[in-house]
Amino acid sequence: GDSVIQMQGQVTLSENDFLFINCTYSTTGYPTLFWYVQYSGEGPQLLLQVTTANNKGSSRGFEATYDKGTTSFHLQKTSVQEIDSAVYYCAMSDGSGSWQLIFGSGTQLTVMP
Amino acid sequence: GGIITQTPKFLIGQEGQKLTLKCQQNFNHDTMYWYRQDSGKGLRLIYYSITENDLQKGDLSEGYDASREKKSSFSLTVTSAQKNEMAVFLCATATGRDTLYFGAGTRLSVL
Repeated sequence: GDSVIQMQGQVTLSENDFLFINCTYSTTGYPTLFWYVQYSGEGPQLLLQVTTANNKGSSRGFEATYDKGTTSFHLQKTSVQEIDSAVYYCAMSDGSGSWQLIFGSGTQLTVMP
Repeated sequence: GGIITQTPKFLIGQEGQKLTLKCQQNFNHDTMYWYRQDSGKGLRLIYYSITENDLQKGDLSEGYDASREKKSSFSLTVTSAQKNEMAVFLCATATGRDTLYFGAGTRLSVL
């Protein structure tokens, strides 16, 4: 079945470090891919989304490229800040007309000052 | 813009108890969702509703009921709370199939 895999449960970095969070997906459809961010005490909010394969999405210094070849949608940021500490969820809508978004298990990012 | 209000913010229940969580939105969005969030498991869909009086089961619907009384509100009932259960229940809305807007969640603990 359809799935989204985030292997990194926790990532700890220092300010100005490079961020890379791994996300791979599996579906037979033509998905739209998302990254959501959840700050402590809040609900998740959309960070970025990409509908078309090989396109890149970007927001607030974060980038992710929809790679159909490797079925990946890794999240990157060149220089993280303490305020980026949050849980990051990769998600997919499978493009089949389903109303469900499928979420990965989330990656807790902690950025040390 | 709009607001999604989930009540209560914290819910403590007893084993076997029936518990109801409420969600109100003023986005005027058609679609509403209930997700369960467990540490290390991500967000799993319990129920969703495409329009008023519509109900669709998600992958995690067993043990839950839902009600979409009107466009702006969507309720979730835990039919029989399980001992030591701890989770966050997130309500979300959407205009279509893609971008979701989430509430802050209801944190459930069962004694």
